[in-house]
Amino acid sequence: GIQVEQSPPDLILQEGANSTLRCNFSDSVNNLQWFHQNPWGQLINLFYIPSGTKQNGRLSATTVATERYSLLYISSSQTTDSGVYFCAVEPRDNYGQNFVFGPGTRLSVLP
Amino acid sequence: DAGVTQSPTHLIKTRGQQVTLRCSPKSGHDTVSWYQQALGQGPQFIFQYYEEEERQRGNFPDRFSGHQFPNYSSELNVNALLLGDSALYLCASSGGLRGMWNTEAFFGQGTRLTVV
Repeated sequence: GIQVEQSPPDLILQEGANSTLRCNFSDSVNNLQWFHQNPWGQLINLFYIPSGTKQNGRLSATTVATERYSLLYISSSQTTDSGVYFCAVEPRDNYGQNFVFGPGTRLSVLP
Repeated sequence: DAGVTQSPTHLIKTRGQQVTLRCSPKSGHDTVSWYQQALGQGPQFIFQYYEEEERQRGNFPDRFSGHQFPNYSSELNVNALLLGDSALYLCASSGGLRGMWNTEAFFGQGTRLTVV
C-alpha cells in the first residue's frame, strides 16, 4: 500500500519564527489534506489540497502531485500553533475509500 | 451548521466487555469513516460506510463492526475488548455529492476509550 512520510518528526520554534513541514507519498493520490491535532485530540482541517497552492492567513500549502510531495508553511508562529500536524492522502487505487495518514510532525512553539 | 459529533467523549471499559461508539456526520454528508489512533501515532483506518453498507475495511479483526442508519449516522461496535483496544476513536464524514468522490473529510472530536 501507499507509504506516507512526514518530516521533521519534531520541531521546536520560538514564537514569531517560520517553518516548513513536508509530506512525501509513494504513489498517486486523489486527495490530500493537512490537519492540526490539538491537545484534546480534535483534528482541525487546515487544507484540502490535492494539487496547487492555497493560503489561509499565516498558513499556506503547496502540493506537487506529479512529484508526490506536499509542503505546509507556517509563518510568524504562535504558541497556539503547537500540536501535531498530520498529512493524510487518499490513494488513487482506493478511489473514494479512505485516508492514509503520515506519522505526524510534533510542533512546539515557545513564548 | 453542526460539524461531526461523537459520543461519548470518554469511556472506561473492562477487558472482555463490548462497547458502542456513535457518530453523527456533518450536515449534507453521506459517508462515514472510522479511525483508531493509538498514543503517539497517526490515525489508522478501520472501515467506511456509505448507503448503509460497509464499503471498505482496513486491517482490523471482526471484533470491530459497524452500522450506518438511514439518517447517515453511524455506530462502531467492538466486542471482547482487549487492553490494546485502548485508543482515541475518530469518526470522519465526507461525500454528499452522489457520484463524486473527491470531497473534503471532516473529523469529530473523538471518543477516548480506555480498557482496564
